[in-house]
Amino acid sequence: GQNIDQPTEMTATEGAIVQINCTYQTSGFNGLFWYQQHAGEAPTFLSYNVLDGLEEKGRFSSFLSRSKGYSYLLLKELQMKDSASYLCAVREGGKLIFGQGTELSVKP
Amino acid sequence: DTAVSQTPKYLVTQMGNDKSIKCEQNLGHDTMYWYKQDSKKFLKIMFSYNNKELIINETVPNRFSPKSPDKAHLNLHINSLELGDSAVYFCASSQDLVGGGKSTDTQYFGPGTRLTVL
Repeated sequence: GQNIDQPTEMTATEGAIVQINCTYQTSGFNGLFWYQQHAGEAPTFLSYNVLDGLEEKGRFSSFLSRSKGYSYLLLKELQMKDSASYLCAVREGGKLIFGQGTELSVKP
Repeated sequence: DTAVSQTPKYLVTQMGNDKSIKCEQNLGHDTMYWYKQDSKKFLKIMFSYNNKELIINETVPNRFSPKSPDKAHLNLHINSLELGDSAVYFCASSQDLVGGGKSTDTQYFGPGTRLTVL
């Protein structure tokens, strides 16, 4: 079966660092994506991992461990505009399977 | 210069009606997708097309019929709308389809169409 788990909600303070975890069990694996979705808007691409390790992109980093079926998204120097839903998605064959998303609230 | 565009943005209609949602991408991508996002925010793939050919059909009721007149357009027609069809429908596109682990498989989403069936 296919299962992708993320925490439903997280809260963090402006300027802090937050880590959003994602665990997955899928029958196939061809890469893991993180998307950001603000309320009422389209998901926008943040990062992509296909090999184990850390990918860094400015204030955002994403980590993958294929043997553990685990990824995390790390957001540094949090800003109020980072308040959004963060979606973990595993590519299996030609399709993306999404988790339910983690709603991140950044407080002043 | 919208990369992936959808019309309409909002659609309110009565149960039993037939409606269409249009999608266009100007990224020169070969593959397009339709996703449904329900009230619990789960994004689930419905269809994908590669160069106008249907590649993925995720056991969607046959009331839903995608049509791709060319590789830049993928429209979604829905017959006999039901209350449970109320959701946000997102179109997306990517350069490639086959999951070869390439970053060119990254999918880019349109702004979404919020469908409300009364």
